[in-house]
Order: sequence, then structure tokens, then C-alpha cells
Amino acid sequence: GDSVTQMEGPVTLSEEAFLTINCTYTATGYPSLFWYVQYPGEGLQLLLKATKADDKGSNKGFEATYRKETTSFHLEKGSVQVSDSAVYFCALSERGSARQLTFGSGTQLTVLP
Amino acid sequence: EAQVTQNPRYLITVTGKKLTVTCSQNMNHEYMSWYRQDPGLGLRQIYYSMNVEVTDKGDVPEGYKVSRKEKRNFPLILESPSPNQTSLYFCASSVIGAANQPQHFGDGTRLSIL
Repeated sequence: GDSVTQMEGPVTLSEEAFLTINCTYTATGYPSLFWYVQYPGEGLQLLLKATKADDKGSNKGFEATYRKETTSFHLEKGSVQVSDSAVYFCALSERGSARQLTFGSGTQLTVLP
Repeated sequence: EAQVTQNPRYLITVTGKKLTVTCSQNMNHEYMSWYRQDPGLGLRQIYYSMNVEVTDKGDVPEGYKVSRKEKRNFPLILESPSPNQTSLYFCASSVIGAANQPQHFGDGTRLSIL
């Protein structure tokens, strides 16, 4: 079945540092890939998505590129801010799947001033 | 404003006392789903519904029930809660038929079963 593997957390960075959160996936077909973010006390919000190979999703300075050859969708940001502190979830959705989303385990990011 | 509303946000209760967590969406979405979030496990799907009167089990359905009598509402029922159901629960909704459509999440319900 489908699965998503994220790098273990928590991750602690200083403000303005470079961020990478690794995500790899296993899927039988051609999934769409997502990054969701969960700020403290809130539900998940869509951060960015990519729907086919080599697509790059971007939002709020975050980027991720759909790499079919390495089945990866790593999240990157060039300069993190304290306000980026949150839990980040990688997820996939397979066309024709009634289950919709399969999530990774989440990565807690803390950015220190 | 498009939103998914869950109630209550927090609940502490005791083993065996039936409880219902409500979920309502105002986006006319066909698809609704319940997840539980536990440390190190991410979000696991409990039940989902593709339309009114159509529900199906997710990954961890044991101990839960759902119903979908109206398109906007998808309550989660714990008939006889147990401590292992202590968790953070999220309801979500989306359009159906397109895998690239995001899900919209409620703000969560934190349940503690003593």
C-alpha cells in the first residue's frame, strides 16, 4: 500500500538558517504530493502541493520538488523565521483512491531567535 | 468563511461514557474524514465518507462509529470510550474525484479518557 516516510524530528534551527525536511514515498500509481503545516493549537493547513513529476510547489518561501526517480518530495526553505515553528506533514493522494490522503509521521520544527 | 467546525475542542471523560464529537463543513464538500493524531504516528484515518449515507473504514476504525445523514455533518461516536482512545482528533473535508485537491481541516478535538 501507499506510505510516506519523513525524517525524524524534532528539528531545531536558528533564525535565518536553511531548512530541509526529507520526505520519501511509496505508491503504486502516480500520486499528488502535499506538505501540510500544523501551527500550535490549530488544524492542518495546506502549505504546498505538486501533482506530477518535476513539478515544484512553493508557498511562503517554502519549496518542494516532485522527484519521481527518487520518490521524494523534500521540503526546503532558505531562511527560516521564528513564525515557521510548527509541525510539518508530508502526504500523498493517489488518483482513484477513496482514502484520499496518506500522511507521514510529522516533523516538529522549532526556530530560535 | 469556508471552514470545518469541530465540537468540543477539549473533553475529559471517563471510560465507558458514550460521547459524540461533531463536525460540520460549509463548503458543500462530498468527502469527509476523521483522523486521530498520536505522537510519532502522524495522522491515521478512522473513517471516511464519500457522500450522504456512504461511509467506510479507514486504518483504525475499532471502537468508533460515524454517520452521514446530511452532507454538511459527520459526527464521530465513541460508544464506550477507553483510555487508548485518548488522542487529538481532526475532521477534514474536500471535494471528491480529484486527487490534487487539498483537504480542509478543523482545529481539532483533544479527548482524554480516564
